[in-house]
Amino acid sequence: GESVGLHLPTLSVQEGDNSIINCAYSNSASDYFIWYKQESGKGPQFIIDIRSNMDKRQGQRVTVLLNKTVKHLSLQIAATQPGDSAVYFCAESRSGSARQLTFGSGTQLTVLP
Amino acid sequence: DGGITQSPKYLFRKEGQNVTLSCEQNLNHDAMYWYRQDPGQGLRLIYYSQIVNDFQKGDIAEGYSVSREKKESFPLTVTSAQKNPTAFYLCASSALAATNEKLFFGSGTQLSVL
Repeated sequence: GESVGLHLPTLSVQEGDNSIINCAYSNSASDYFIWYKQESGKGPQFIIDIRSNMDKRQGQRVTVLLNKTVKHLSLQIAATQPGDSAVYFCAESRSGSARQLTFGSGTQLTVLP
Repeated sequence: DGGITQSPKYLFRKEGQNVTLSCEQNLNHDAMYWYRQDPGQGLRLIYYSQIVNDFQKGDIAEGYSVSREKKESFPLTVTSAQKNPTAFYLCASSALAATNEKLFFGSGTQLSVL
């Protein structure tokens, strides 16, 4: 899972396997969650988002699961491919006068051939 | 192509020098943001702007300044007061003012100190 610090959590998976990247959040008032993928030297790219009124949302090869009881978010990538190797960030925000995204420190996913 | 353009990709700063990072978007987004990213860490918000001629400090605004004279442009100046400027700087925009859901990011500027 994600944590604050200088060392990124890492996850290595075999090509073709499914990947699960976890993220814990602390603010129970957070009502919007989003996952980004960042390749080395590039800006983050949007993957998928979910609001707190949902538990699950699916995209192309990706699924986000939200467990509000334990404040946990996960990103599942089906049939992981070499091009999926990147750092994955979760971010959260809550409604208010100036909604701001708070980013986790990221997880480095490495896909092994 | 619509998107966010950051320039330059690499920038070097000398001691005591101010440098300006460019960010331009043609997405017609109201809100724009600057984030700083250090190795192995998440993104930290420096400044954001929800409308032209208005901007607010983020979590780490000290040593930085911005302007928003045009909707398309949100340049960031790293001043000499920023003692540890080496980082990867990301500009982003979003369609909805007063929210920053679903940010669209530029490709970043790597700033290093000589």
